Amino acid sequence: DAKTTQPTSMDCAEGRAANLPCNHSTISGNEYVYWYRQIHSQGPQYIIHGLKNNETNEMASLIITEDRKSSTLILPHATLRDTAVYYCIVRLNAGGTSYGKLTFGQGTILTVHP
Amino acid sequence: GAGVSQSPRYKVAKRGQDVALRCDPISGHVSLFWYQQALGQGPEFLTYFQNEAQLDKSGLPSDRFFAERPEGSVSTLKIQRTQQEDSAVYLCASSNRTGSRSPLHFGNGTRLTVT
Repeated sequence: DAKTTQPTSMDCAEGRAANLPCNHSTISGNEYVYWYRQIHSQGPQYIIHGLKNNETNEMASLIITEDRKSSTLILPHATLRDTAVYYCIVRLNAGGTSYGKLTFGQGTILTVHP
Repeated sequence: GAGVSQSPRYKVAKRGQDVALRCDPISGHVSLFWYQQALGQGPEFLTYFQNEAQLDKSGLPSDRFFAERPEGSVSTLKIQRTQQEDSAVYLCASSNRTGSRSPLHFGNGTRLTVT
């Protein structure tokens, strides 16, 4: 699976947009970009995923560059409850032996301040 | 229930004891994954089931780890003769299809502490 690079930590003021970057320069055409977050003492929570096009749901927006080598997760109005570790994951499409498993890195620790 | 349920939430075992961790996936979900998460690290893949078939167990750290899903729903992760290095959070995740289009939904894990 392609490797991702994320900043170790980021800060954001409550009510402002949080923009979390991710580099995945070795991504291949059949790999999805997934974002999860993990709040302390909970399991990872699915946020959003995309292949080529930008995506938006009730939680966030995902902007993928045209060359697909990087992406940005946008939380439009961050709240204190958005403080968590955010994982950007490139997920190989099933086929072969990966079965679409997720390979987690270290993620970005996002701290939202009052 | 609406989500993936794991039990117990916390487990303390003495070194050398056997433990069994249970996962109730979302009803009807075909795919089931087990992950291990050490303190301060991201989750690491252990094993994968498609219905009752264990198709990938490449992440199991030793032959003391065993997982089963006999009827294609509930799964149990068993660790024999626990060691201190087995202390971690064990996460279960399920998905309604195979492949990468369907997200994995995780439970809140079982925190295992081996003393």
